[in-house]
Amino acid sequence: EDQVTQSPEALRLQEGESSSLNCSYTVSGLRGLFWYRQDPGKGPEFLFTLYSAGEEKEKERLKATLTKKESFLHITAPKPEDSATYLCAVVSGGYNKLIFGAGTRLAVHP
Amino acid sequence: GAVVSQHPSRVICKSGTSVKIECRSLDFQATTMFWYRQFPKQSLMLMATSNEGSKATYEQGVEKDKFLINHASLTLSTLTVTSAHPEDSSFYICSAEVGGNYGYTFGSGTRLTVV
Repeated sequence: EDQVTQSPEALRLQEGESSSLNCSYTVSGLRGLFWYRQDPGKGPEFLFTLYSAGEEKEKERLKATLTKKESFLHITAPKPEDSATYLCAVVSGGYNKLIFGAGTRLAVHP
Repeated sequence: GAVVSQHPSRVICKSGTSVKIECRSLDFQATTMFWYRQFPKQSLMLMATSNEGSKATYEQGVEKDKFLINHASLTLSTLTVTSAHPEDSSFYICSAEVGGNYGYTFGSGTRLTVV
């Protein structure tokens, strides 16, 4: 059964304190791994798509990487406005539906 | 580009009534749309996949007679919660498959409260 596990469940950082969020996955034939940001009361906002091991993508203070078993979302020098829930999701095999992890709630304090 | 508009953003209804939530793709055609439910501090749970012009595919444990999904056009999918009860109160989110590097785009969600 396809499974996505995110850690930590919650993370508190000081402004400027870099860290990484983890997304471990077990799927039968990865077609794509997605990172989303979700603010309270809003729908998920697209961040990155990764397709194959070794792939990396960057956007402002965020960098996503992918291996055969996991993905990391690195946050460099975070700011309070980076506070949100970060969701990881995968699409596998012959399916076209996203399987989500439980998310990491990030709080960045000034 | 690839915007999905979801309405209403909030709705309060009385127990026993039905509520319709709309999801529109504004600048692209969405052959496939997805409906999710999210409880507080939990992740998104896929309820069903809707394909334009055909019956929706429901996930295990989701009551198809309670959550009616219609995808009559390439730009509109609707979710109707029938005979709503307080336990149906939740955050409902739609999504459409965009393809390419963007994969899937999401609506802004609907907060349903059944009183």
